[in-house]
Amino acid sequence: GAVVSQHPSRVICKSGTSVKIECRSLDFQATTMFWYRQFPKKSLMLMATSNEGSKATYEQGVEKDKFLINHASLTLSTLTVTSAHPEDSSFYICSASVRTGELFFGEGSRLTVL
Amino acid sequence: GQNIDQPTEMTATEGAIVQINCTYQTSGFNGLFWYQQHAGEAPTFLSYNVLDGLEEKGRFSSFLSRSKGYSYLLLKELQMKDSASYLCAVPRGGSYIPTFGRGTSLIVHP
Repeated sequence: GAVVSQHPSRVICKSGTSVKIECRSLDFQATTMFWYRQFPKKSLMLMATSNEGSKATYEQGVEKDKFLINHASLTLSTLTVTSAHPEDSSFYICSASVRTGELFFGEGSRLTVL
Repeated sequence: GQNIDQPTEMTATEGAIVQINCTYQTSGFNGLFWYQQHAGEAPTFLSYNVLDGLEEKGRFSSFLSRSKGYSYLLLKELQMKDSASYLCAVPRGGSYIPTFGRGTSLIVHP
């Protein structure tokens, strides 16, 4: 199957700093990638749809200025959590679709904001 | 809107069979997915059903009834490693962006 790589897997940062998470499709070109957020024992919540070469589409309630998404190439999408606060601590997962609907997920990034 | 419902938690014995149900409401059905997610890891794809009936894949099978808005995932010959969360996902009507259910946490005990 298709491989999606996400980095870093774990990051700890101080409150007020920004953190960038990268999501790469290694063996295919992904025109669309999805960013999810997951709290402990909760389901995956879609944050935004990242489209190569255009602006991301954010879900209702997700702050565009806080969660910056850039999809500058067909193999890379980045999520930047700006001015992070403890409530932003979560598991962030990216995914890409290679066929109709089937998603391949990155390994996930666990963010802890102190 | 869209609504996906599945049980929060289930327990089963090693070697047994377990069925995890999922009911959904959506407009413009584009198929139903099942994913497995171990704690602290990203989900992995298990199955995709777009037509009614049973799809068998080794120890795992998935069933779909579009008229009833119902699916189930059947796990046979349970192993300890099958302890995980099982997510039912349905693409939004008219798109291929999946919405996930809350997941069913399956605990397999000896």
